[in-house]
Amino acid sequence: SYELTLPLSVSVALGQTARITCGGNNIGSKNVHWYQQKPGQAPVLLIYRNSNRPSGIPERFSGSNSGNTATLTISRAQAGDEADYYCQVWDSSTVVFGGGTKLTVL
Amino acid sequence: EVQLVESGGGLVQPGGSLRLSCAASGFTVNNNYISWVRQAPGKGLEWVSIIYSGGSTNYADSVKGRFTISRDNSKNTLYLQMNSLRAEDTAVYFCAMGGTVTGAFDYWGQGTLVTVSS
Repeated sequence: SYELTLPLSVSVALGQTARITCGGNNIGSKNVHWYQQKPGQAPVLLIYRNSNRPSGIPERFSGSNSGNTATLTISRAQAGDEADYYCQVWDSSTVVFGGGTKLTVL
Repeated sequence: EVQLVESGGGLVQPGGSLRLSCAASGFTVNNNYISWVRQAPGKGLEWVSIIYSGGSTNYADSVKGRFTISRDNSKNTLYLQMNSLRAEDTAVYFCAMGGTVTGAFDYWGQGTLVTVSS
């Protein structure tokens, strides 16, 4: 089965740029989606098809995907960005989530 | 406005059964693919099952043969019948609606907690 690898945690200073990488075998050939989940809340779609933002998602959030790594970039990090982040792909009609990354804004 | 409201969670003994419901509004369940996704306490998201607009279904290996996803178009509701429950099935269960434009899960319910314990 297909596996997605996310770091357990990422830290970023307030106002700086955070990058969360999602690793997978030839993930660049797949569409990667990203979700943000805050404690006690449901996940929210952040980025779809590698680099597209749903309406209402700030431009500070961006995504890219190439080779064996997809990346979520959060620019000008804010305290409110502290959350868990998940990448997701489709593989043979099943859904695969990465294990999740906890983002801490210092 | 799209809304998904889960219900049916609770405490059940190992080996028991439970049926979860996901009431949808703002869209019709048979026009979209909808999944159940669970999250064990303190853990990440785990995909459980999916039903497509055409009615085909798929399951994670961890629940195959024990869980059944279905929908009632007349009630615009999705279900997850869970049998032979195990302690490791303890989790918050979310239903999530897929988007044909995004290819992702655009909308999520708030979840319902299932606890499997004696």
